[in-house]
Amino acid sequence: DGGITQSPKYLFRKEGQNVTLSCEQNLNHDAMYWYRQDPGQGLRLIYYSQIVNDFQKGDIAEGYSVSREKKESFPLTVTSAQKNPTAFYLCASSMEGQGAYGYTFGSGTRLTVV
Amino acid sequence: AQSVTQLDSHVSVSEGTPVLLRCNYSSSYSPSLFWYVQHPNKGLQLLLKYTSAATLVKGINGFEAEFKKSETSFHLTKPSAHMSDAAEYFCVVTASGGSYIPTFGRGTSLIVHP
Repeated sequence: DGGITQSPKYLFRKEGQNVTLSCEQNLNHDAMYWYRQDPGQGLRLIYYSQIVNDFQKGDIAEGYSVSREKKESFPLTVTSAQKNPTAFYLCASSMEGQGAYGYTFGSGTRLTVV
Repeated sequence: AQSVTQLDSHVSVSEGTPVLLRCNYSSSYSPSLFWYVQHPNKGLQLLLKYTSAATLVKGINGFEAEFKKSETSFHLTKPSAHMSDAAEYFCVVTASGGSYIPTFGRGTSLIVHP
């Protein structure tokens, strides 16, 4: 079945450490997105990519980095510069230029700083 | 520019009674509107979408929503709540003519009492 796979489901980070969250899709979607979810704040866009080797900052990109070397993959790195990384992270995808038809979401990664 | 406002952060109903989750939007272009549902620690699942066809949209699990341009609203309804409907609901807007980057509401938590 086609879909988006996020891994790991739970991730613990020590202070000063970089961690990478994985997002893989087999839907042949062009566009991919990373969102951060905090209680009571809905979803906030971190980065998005509409084609391979190209990506744009969203509303809260500081302290995060991404790459898009393959169409299927859009990993997110949470760097030590992100001062408050504890949150639920969601990856999504859509057909480029057809975002009006909806987005497919992964099941999320819960990141906790210890 | 686009925005979406979910008018209630929490809605509490009894099982078997109607559900109404309210959403207002603004958009400089013709909008596409979506409702997503999220169960705890899960990704988002598409309930229904409006993309300039019929203004009354039927979705999964007995939910429906009506697009009212004059009121800039897209409220979600269900005639009879079930315990399994308890979840977080998000109203989302994108705009044709824009970049298709979705804007999320802050979410409405639906509580269903037995």
